[in-house]
Amino acid sequence: QKEVEQNSGPLSVPEGAIASLNCTYSDRGSQSFFWYRQYSGKSPELIMSIYSNGDKEDGRFTAQLNKASQYVSLLIRDSQPSDSATYLCAVTGAAGNKLTFGGGTRVLVKP
Amino acid sequence: NAGVMQNPRHLVRRRGQEARLRCSPMKGHSHVYWYRQLPEEGLKFMVYLQKENIIDESGMPKERFSAEFPKEGPSILRIQQVVRGDSAAYFCASSRDDTEAFFGQGTRLTVV
Repeated sequence: QKEVEQNSGPLSVPEGAIASLNCTYSDRGSQSFFWYRQYSGKSPELIMSIYSNGDKEDGRFTAQLNKASQYVSLLIRDSQPSDSATYLCAVTGAAGNKLTFGGGTRVLVKP
Repeated sequence: NAGVMQNPRHLVRRRGQEARLRCSPMKGHSHVYWYRQLPEEGLKFMVYLQKENIIDESGMPKERFSAEFPKEGPSILRIQQVVRGDSAAYFCASSRDDTEAFFGQGTRLTVV
């Protein structure tokens, strides 16, 4: 079982719609959770961090964390073509601060 | 407020040569992570370091690869006797503690 799992996609979303991305993790003691966006040929860019159960909103992005279900999600509202990228879920484990990434979900926003 | 700086951005090495990749963390950051990424693949964890200490090197091959983060100066990822399979993008990230980590622009290593 992979430590952090994501659906690889591609997730195709019409412009203006909501993109919903999911991530599950295996380490029940994980403490910190992050979403990164990576454009092709570029480095990952941090877009959201979440540390406690519930929702956290930042602009068009909402991160949701459910530690009991070991599940973290990202919603992108009013999706734009510029949101087309790979979205990486990352988790720090209970033992030390190793930051582990999922394989990423590719999102395509179609005009 | 400079971000994470990696150099060189592009590195070409012949098989059997050594590759040295450098990473200067953001100011005030004492944690450094190195990742490798092959085209169309995810980020593979290699090593996690704090100043003068290797915390976790579980993702780094036992042979030919080494990493350090000295008290002064950048973190260095060293690959000895490179092979074609080492060709990849190598990313460094830094953080202040166990919170948000920020990435450098990466070093694209090509082994010919």
